[in-house]
Amino acid sequence: DAKTTQPPSMDCAEGRAANLPCNHSTISGNEYVYWYRQIHSQGPQYIIHGLKNNETNEMASLIITEDRKSSTLILPHATLRDTAVYYCIVRGSGSGTYKYIFGTGTRLKVLA
Amino acid sequence: EPEVTQTPSHQVTQMGQEVILRCVPISNHLYFYWYRQILGQKVEFLVSFYNNEISEKSEIFDDQFSVERPDGSNFTLKIRSTKLEDSAMYFCASTGLARGETQYFGPGTRLLVL
Repeated sequence: DAKTTQPPSMDCAEGRAANLPCNHSTISGNEYVYWYRQIHSQGPQYIIHGLKNNETNEMASLIITEDRKSSTLILPHATLRDTAVYYCIVRGSGSGTYKYIFGTGTRLKVLA
Repeated sequence: EPEVTQTPSHQVTQMGQEVILRCVPISNHLYFYWYRQILGQKVEFLVSFYNNEISEKSEIFDDQFSVERPDGSNFTLKIRSTKLEDSAMYFCASTGLARGETQYFGPGTRLLVL
C-alpha cells in the first residue's frame, strides 16, 4: 500500500496558488517525498522532490514539515493546464526498494 | 531535453496472442522500470531491471511477463499469452546512474486485449 494519504479532489481558481497536501506519517529518515502529476492517461510527469528541506523549481514549491510527517506542493499561479491528478510518493534512497507505490492522488481541477 | 519514448502508442491484440511493448530509456540511464495502469485505477509497479537482470518484481509480473534489453537502447516488455485483464496503459520509466535518482516516465502504450 501507498505510504501517503491525499485528498481525493481539489478545485483552484486560475491564477491562484494551488496548495496540495500530503500526509506521510510513517516516513523513514532516508525516504524522499516525490511529487508527480498525470494529465489524462499520459505518463506521470515529475514535478519536484525533497528530503527535509523546502524545495523550489520552475514548476512548483515543496514544503515539508519539520517532523516530515506531511508536505504541501504549491503551484504558485495555477493555469488550466495544471488540471491533473497529483501524486505524492514516498520512496527510499538506501539499499531498499526503489519502486514507486502510487496512491490514488489528488485530482486538481483549475477553474477559469 | 532527453525523454523516455515508447512504441507503439496503441496496440490492439486478440486474447492469447503475444505482444511486445518497446521503450527507449534516456540514454545514460541504467535502471529501468515497467508500470501499468488499468483504466480508472492506480499506477502499479510491475518490474525493475538493472545490469541485465530483474531487480524486483511485483505479484502481477508472473510467468507470462518477461523483460529484456536486447541492445544498448531498447527495453522491452513481453506478454506471452495476453488475457483480457492485461488491457491497460503500460508505462516505462528510467533512472540515471544512481538508484536513488528520479524516475522519468514515458508516454505509455495503451494495450487493448479483445
